[in-house]
Amino acid sequence: NAGVTQTPKFQVLKTGQSMTLQCAQDMNHNSMYWYRQDPGMGLRLIYYSASEGTTDKGEVPNGYNVSRLNKREFSLRLESAAPSQTSVYFCASTGASGGVSGELFFGEGSRLTVL
Amino acid sequence: GENVEQHPSTLSVQEGDSAVIKCTYSDSASNYFPWYKQELGKRPQLIIDIRSNVGEKKDQRIAVTLNKTAKHFSLHITETQPEDSAVYFCAAGPYYGNNRLAFGKGNQVVVIP
Repeated sequence: NAGVTQTPKFQVLKTGQSMTLQCAQDMNHNSMYWYRQDPGMGLRLIYYSASEGTTDKGEVPNGYNVSRLNKREFSLRLESAAPSQTSVYFCASTGASGGVSGELFFGEGSRLTVL
Repeated sequence: GENVEQHPSTLSVQEGDSAVIKCTYSDSASNYFPWYKQELGKRPQLIIDIRSNVGEKKDQRIAVTLNKTAKHFSLHITETQPEDSAVYFCAAGPYYGNNRLAFGKGNQVVVIP
């Protein structure tokens, strides 16, 4: 099993450009998440999807949109990138069901720089 | 919302000694407390978690203790080894909350050989 796979691993954008971060998991997990990690700030939840067909805002959703394409895939879109969105983005999934908090399995991360 | 703070921000220990990282949380409704380890350039990985119905949980060299009255929980690493060098994140939130957790800012632990 590959686990959680994210693409791209690195991306440089100019202010105002758009891009989509792709995430796929092969563990048959129901719930998927997008976090951003900034130096000295820990992990902050952007959006999550408790199950296929549902998405909800996390702590820092402004400037982002998400799509739960199917059970395996959960994408994060930046419509008009801003320098404040320079960060490392992690996708994660969990096999815990019924709304229970459980182990998060993270992807390798995507380092995004917005100039 | 929940606010989680970690202390100290950086901790250096001699190999073989113990390391303790403490986290405080603000929301008394939180009842799930995981710890994640992130090695340099790698993804975070869960190392241990605890629910509020227990006060302590142990797994080999690591243990977590919880004091609900004081709203703090701690990670204890005994007999530290160089591979324990990493950033450790604590988090707090509702167990029935779909991982809507608040993470602390992280502790850098350096094990000196």
